Amino acid sequence: LAKTTQPISMDSYEGQEVNITCSHNNIATNDYITWYQQFPSQGPRFIIQGYKTKVTNEVASLFIPADRKSSTLSLPRVSLSDTAVYYCLVGYNTDKLIFGTGTRLQVFP
Amino acid sequence: SQTIHQWPATLVQPVGSPLSLECTVEGTSNPNLYWYRQAAGRGLQLLFYSVGIGQISSEVPQNLSASRPQDRQFILSSKKLLLSDSGFYLCAWKGLSSTGELFFGEGSRLTVL
Repeated sequence: LAKTTQPISMDSYEGQEVNITCSHNNIATNDYITWYQQFPSQGPRFIIQGYKTKVTNEVASLFIPADRKSSTLSLPRVSLSDTAVYYCLVGYNTDKLIFGTGTRLQVFP
Repeated sequence: SQTIHQWPATLVQPVGSPLSLECTVEGTSNPNLYWYRQAAGRGLQLLFYSVGIGQISSEVPQNLSASRPQDRQFILSSKKLLLSDSGFYLCAWKGLSSTGELFFGEGSRLTVL
């Protein structure tokens, strides 16, 4: 089971692009990388998932280099409502899903 | 569509009292089920997970237990609560063919006094 490492916290201002990187050096061949967003007193919710290269959806982009030992969640033009904790999770049809410490993003006006 | 519910949403219990939190999933069959706990300002700690009826894997030895009496029902229990059991408890499910996407319930906030 790949262990993940993320920065504990990040600060940004409204309108800026935010990039949060997750390290997963022992990722397995079949593992997918999934990012979640969590607001206070709520369960995490799925943001984006990828296996390699780049994935983009309506809220974020996920960049995965060729060696897949890290991944970067990119949030374009953040707003105050993007203030939350962001987690990356690595696995493939894995029963035991352990979250890392997450990154607490604070967006300022 | 699939839904997940857990209750109660809020609970205040004295030290030494029992606990029962319940989680049910609808719209899917044979899901993997999970209980996580989140202490104030901390990350998600995996407590238990289950891949089928009666199959429970415990991740953290403590005074909590879990049971899965039915395919889509997952129960978290304690016979005697400790102060350190206070926290935000989250139930989640994952489909068998899922590549890791978890779906979480609304959470249950437990305060032990």
